[in-house]
Amino acid sequence: GQQVMQIPQYQHVQEGEDFTTYCNSSTTLSNIQWYKQRPGGHPVFLIQLVKSGEVKKQKRLTFQFGEAKKNSSLHITATQTTDVGTYFCAGPRMSGQGAQKLVFGQGTRLTINP
Amino acid sequence: NAGVTQTPKFQVLKTGQSMTLQCAQDMNHEYMSWYRQDPGMGLRLIHYSVGAGITDQGEVPNGYNVSRSTTEDFPLRLLSAAPSQTSVYFCASSLTSAYNEQFFGPGTRLTVL
Repeated sequence: GQQVMQIPQYQHVQEGEDFTTYCNSSTTLSNIQWYKQRPGGHPVFLIQLVKSGEVKKQKRLTFQFGEAKKNSSLHITATQTTDVGTYFCAGPRMSGQGAQKLVFGQGTRLTINP
Repeated sequence: NAGVTQTPKFQVLKTGQSMTLQCAQDMNHEYMSWYRQDPGMGLRLIHYSVGAGITDQGEVPNGYNVSRSTTEDFPLRLLSAAPSQTSVYFCASSLTSAYNEQFFGPGTRLTVL
C-alpha cells in the first residue's frame, strides 16, 4: 500500500540556522498536507499543496511539491524557538470511493538551541 | 465553536478492561477519524467515517470498534485493553474526506497496565 517516508527523524539546530524536512511517497499523491505538533500538543494543519511543482510560502516557511507529486519538502529559514515541534507530512490514499484514508509520515522532530 | 473535543484527557486501564474514548465536533464535518500516535511511528489511522452510519477500518483497526450514529460524535471503543494499546489517541475531523484539512482534538493519553 501507499507509504509515506519522512527524513530526518530528528534535527537539532542552533537558533537562526535553517531547517529542512523531506517527505517521499511510494505512489503519486493527489495532494500533500503538512502539520505541526508542538510538544505535548496535537497536530495543527499548516498547508496543503495540490499542483505539480507547487511552491508556497508562509513567512519563514517554504513548502514544495515535487514535479512527479511523489515528494515534498518543508524549509524553515532562520529558525526561532517557536519553531520547535514535530512536523508531519501526509497524503490521501485514493480508492474507488475517493480520498478516505490519510497516510502520515513518521514526522521530523525539530529541537532548537537558543 | 469548540472544534474537536475529546474525553478523557488521561486514562489508566488494567489489561482486559474495556472503555470508550469520546470524540465530538461541532463543525458539521462529514469525515471523522481516529489515530494513535506512538514514538517514531507517526500517526496511524485506526478507523474512519465518511458520514453518519458509515464507518470503515484504517491501518491498525484490531482491538478497536467505532460507531457513528450522529454527525457530531465518533466514539472509539477498546474491547479488551492490552499493553500494546498504550498510546496517545487523536480524533480528527474534516469537511468531507482525507483530501481536506484535518482538525485534531487535544488527544487522550492511555496507559494499559
